[in-house]
Amino acid sequence: GAVVSQHPSRVICKSGTSVKIECRSLDFQATTMFWYRQFPKKSLMLMATSNEGSKATYEQGVEKDKFLINHASLTLSTLTVTSAHPEDSSFYICSAGLAGGGAGELFFGEGSRLTVL
Amino acid sequence: DAKTTQPPSMDCAEGRAANLPCNHSTISGNEYVYWYRQIHSQGPQYIIHGLKNNETNEMASLIITEDRKSSTLILPHATLRDTAVYYCIVRVANTGNQFYFGTGTSLTVIP
Repeated sequence: GAVVSQHPSRVICKSGTSVKIECRSLDFQATTMFWYRQFPKKSLMLMATSNEGSKATYEQGVEKDKFLINHASLTLSTLTVTSAHPEDSSFYICSAGLAGGGAGELFFGEGSRLTVL
Repeated sequence: DAKTTQPPSMDCAEGRAANLPCNHSTISGNEYVYWYRQIHSQGPQYIIHGLKNNETNEMASLIITEDRKSSTLILPHATLRDTAVYYCIVRVANTGNQFYFGTGTSLTVIP
């Protein structure tokens, strides 16, 4: 199946710093990617829809200035957590679907665990 | 918003079939049923999807009722590695459409 890769898988940062997480579709092109966050023992919560070459669409309650999303190419989307605080500590997961085809299934990255000290 | 209802947890004996139910009584005619699973601290893994007909692949079988208001994911011979949270999602089959996850079913396969 299609492969989606995230980097880094784990990151620890100090409060107030910014952290960038990359999401790449390795063997297919993705016009749309999605970003989720997940708290311990909870389900995945959709944060935003990332569209190649245009602005991301954020879910209600997600701060777009806090979570900057860039989708500069058909194989790369980035999520930047700006001025991170301990409450931003979470598991962040991206996903992508096959552009222009497929059965609509999404493929997910391995996730990136952010810990803000 | 999630449009599915699943039991929060289930147990299954190793080697036996695991039958995971999902209720999606408000499903629309053009919405597919997708199943994913998430093993602890990993990204979700695609299992199977279907529209009206029953489907089978190397991982599982998907049984959809005739009225499409519910479905069952069947893992024919559960192994310990199948212990995971299983999510049932309904969505139009368009890669631009969002996936909204419900609470899923935590399946524990018991030796």
